[in-house]
Amino acid sequence: GENVEQHPSTLSVQEGDSAVIKCTYSDSASNYFPWYKQELGKRPQLIIDIRSNVGEKKDQRIAVTLNKTAKHFSLHITETQPEDSAVYFCAAAAHQAGTALIFGKGTTLSVSS
Amino acid sequence: DTAVSQTPKYLVTQMGNDKSIKCEQNLGHDTMYWYKQDSKKFLKIMFSYNNKELIINETVPNRFSPKSPDKAHLNLHINSLELGDSAVYFCASSQERTSGGAPFFGPGTRLTVL
Repeated sequence: GENVEQHPSTLSVQEGDSAVIKCTYSDSASNYFPWYKQELGKRPQLIIDIRSNVGEKKDQRIAVTLNKTAKHFSLHITETQPEDSAVYFCAAAAHQAGTALIFGKGTTLSVSS
Repeated sequence: DTAVSQTPKYLVTQMGNDKSIKCEQNLGHDTMYWYKQDSKKFLKIMFSYNNKELIINETVPNRFSPKSPDKAHLNLHINSLELGDSAVYFCASSQERTSGGAPFFGPGTRLTVL
């Protein structure tokens, strides 16, 4: 089955700096890669996703890149703000009806002002 | 409007008891899931239901049993609760064709077994 590795487990940056979180996956059949943000005591919320027919996707300060050959994908947050502080999860799945996402172990991002 | 709701939000119970967690989604999604988040924040899939059929059943103890009376509901029943069952349980739903397949999570149920 799929296995998703995520690094680093914790990341501390200064406000305004960039943050990068990296993930690798094992199953070459996986073709859908979402990223979730979870604030303390809240539900995980989708922030951006990418499919294997796309190499990069941007949404304002957030971007995701995918290297299907190397089986890794990354989340980039630019101009970080204190409200970006949260746990971020990458996930992977083969995009078939009902296929459950397999999550990485999460990265705790702390942005200090 | 609440998209995915769970009850109860908090559940404190003794070892050996049986408890249920209810989940409802009003998004019209055709797949629902249960995820367990342990104290280290690791999100692990437990079950998923697609069109009322169990299509994934990960290696969870058979004390856990999902029940789906209809497409909008997926309840989780747990027998003979153990200390290690303490965690936050998230229900989620997804729809391949309209939302792209990304699950939408409910608010979670924090289960504490004493």
